[in-house]
Amino acid sequence: GQNIDQPTEMTATEGAIVQINCTYQTSGFNGLFWYQQHAGEAPTFLSYNVLDGLEEKGRFSSFLSRSKGYSYLLLKELQMKDSASYLCAVSAYSGAGSYQLTFGKGTKLSVIP
Amino acid sequence: KAGVTQTPRYLIKTRGQQVTLSCSPISGHRSVSWYQQTPGQGLQFLFEYFSETQRNKGNFPGRFSGRQFSNSRSEMNVSTLELGDSALYLCASSGTPTSDTGELFFGEGSRLTVL
Repeated sequence: GQNIDQPTEMTATEGAIVQINCTYQTSGFNGLFWYQQHAGEAPTFLSYNVLDGLEEKGRFSSFLSRSKGYSYLLLKELQMKDSASYLCAVSAYSGAGSYQLTFGKGTKLSVIP
Repeated sequence: KAGVTQTPRYLIKTRGQQVTLSCSPISGHRSVSWYQQTPGQGLQFLFEYFSETQRNKGNFPGRFSGRQFSNSRSEMNVSTLELGDSALYLCASSGTPTSDTGELFFGEGSRLTVL
């Protein structure tokens, strides 16, 4: 099975930088994803890391260390609209030539003025 | 292009009943995954279909079942409903099986309440 841990809640100030961590334990690792989910809405894809290092996309960056089973999502220049839940998800080999995506429970980020 | 469409959006059932939820993926997408989302457990994987074949199944009892049609539309069924089945059921489609980039496009979900 897989074990994915991320903080339940975080609070940060508008304009600041926040880092949301995710640790995982799995075999057959195939990639790590971050999704954003605003309250009452569907999750939307933010980033994908399969190799170690940092992937930058505008104000959002995602980092992966496969040896440590660790990833983080970095949000810069926080805006009020960034208040949402951030879901870490790990793809891993599940047998018979297929892969399964497993989500963490999500981190609820509140951005305050 | 149109996104993932799920119907119905809201429904209320009583214990012991059964329910069928429908999902129409993005046009051209052949992979459909289903997830159950609850406040305590987050998003939990139910099953994935690709080209009408179930590729993966999560750790849910046999009361939860699904299928995919030749046009890639998918349905999931829950029989003998229990109070604990109350949740948001999310469908997601992908252009390829999740072994690739894994980017999923989610529908708005079907919110099931079991009384």
